[in-house]
Amino acid sequence: DAGVIQSPRHEVTEMGQEVTLRCKPISGHNSLFWYRQTMMRGLELLIYFNNNVPIDDSGMPEDRFSAKMPNASFSTLKIQPSEPRDSAVYFCASSSRDEQYFGPGTRLTVT
Amino acid sequence: AQKITQTQPGMFVQEKEAVTLDCTYDTSDQSYGLFWYKQPSSGEMIFLIYQGSYDEQNATEGRYSLNFQKARKSANLVISASQLGDSAMYFCAMREAERGGSNYKLTFGKGTLLTVNP
Repeated sequence: DAGVIQSPRHEVTEMGQEVTLRCKPISGHNSLFWYRQTMMRGLELLIYFNNNVPIDDSGMPEDRFSAKMPNASFSTLKIQPSEPRDSAVYFCASSSRDEQYFGPGTRLTVT
Repeated sequence: AQKITQTQPGMFVQEKEAVTLDCTYDTSDQSYGLFWYKQPSSGEMIFLIYQGSYDEQNATEGRYSLNFQKARKSANLVISASQLGDSAMYFCAMREAERGGSNYKLTFGKGTLLTVNP
């Protein structure tokens, strides 16, 4: 099994630019989660989907952040416009029941 | 109030010895799950072990075991026979049940940095 796949692994962009992070969950998993990790705030859940439907987006920081899951094998997290305070590692995770498996993360740097 | 508390910012252990990483949690749900993850310096989050609130026996996975004490609301991770490769950040997490839901979000503690000395 390939595990959760995220791309890109690293992203460096300038303030004001649009950033799109991508995730392919483990085949057969019906829940997908986006997390953000920073030194100051630790690991935070941004949004999660169940069967491609957004269930809880209360962790999304503001309107600049949006997430979609058009099908069971793909999700995106978009930041538009990006700001330096968005710099963090963004993880995607998926699960089918109890265990939740994380992707390798995308390290985003906004200058 | 924090839902997951890891009181040890850092721990040191000698290679081949056992170490216990503390985790306490706060929930009013009857059904919940507890998780431990390892994050090495390379950054990935590695799932280690899971304990359901209704599981009667403590979970074990190889050298990892979860010391689950429900009345005390603690879910400590025990690593036996520590290895140099165990040096990493360890996170405890909880999944609380949601009415009508089938998969739930995790709340993470702030982590414990474990260093294994040769």
